[in-house]
Amino acid sequence: QSVLTQPPSASGTPGQRVTISCSGSSSNIGREYVYWYQQLPGTAPKLLIYKNDQRPSGVPDRFSGSRSGTSASLAISGLRSEDEADYHCAAWDDSLSGVVFGGGTKLSVL
Amino acid sequence: QVQLVESGGGVVQPGRSLRLSCAASRFTFSNYGMHWVRQAPGKGLEWVAVISNDGSNKYYSDSVKGRFTISRDNSQNTLYLQMSGLRAEDTAVYYCAKVFGQRQLVLPHFDFWGQGTLVTVSS
Repeated sequence: QSVLTQPPSASGTPGQRVTISCSGSSSNIGREYVYWYQQLPGTAPKLLIYKNDQRPSGVPDRFSGSRSGTSASLAISGLRSEDEADYHCAAWDDSLSGVVFGGGTKLSVL
Repeated sequence: QVQLVESGGGVVQPGRSLRLSCAASRFTFSNYGMHWVRQAPGKGLEWVAVISNDGSNKYYSDSVKGRFTISRDNSQNTLYLQMSGLRAEDTAVYYCAKVFGQRQLVLPHFDFWGQGTLVTVSS
């Protein structure tokens, strides 16, 4: 059971906008930055969003992040087939004194 | 380009020990904190441990505390994970990950990951 809660799956058609949620608590998302990682099949995760809503250089602006209270969201607009991957949220948890991840969301592009 | 190469994985019996290594190159290893993150087959990511740039600060997940030890040799640009008392639930691909900022330690802001090494705990 992951400390951060994500839906196990999400889907959309090319060009659509999809949103993936990440729910936590006051000891993690409620007071700490949220990070998002994209993991293509058979590869290591790749940083997608840092500090809630910042994109590293090279990440398309189709990807955006937000945080409100104890929840965070990753939005992908103009969905493309190459976006089919697993998406993971992460944060530091002050109570656990450790990094916590969501269970991951598998995005399918139909 | 930063390179992180894990090694040391394999098949090990329950209760035995194993040491993983992560060879770092193309950046000043001694300036950055490093993490281990694992992923069981078909599952999500699970954080394991973190060590500060000079090795003076370490944190562990509750699931490995007392069994795993994270360490580093800055003269060899290598990160280690000594695993003992291995259990079936430790079966996973183990990744080392570099933190983004020199002053950063615990935040899960990882700009580079290794390719992972598979540890299988089975009798």
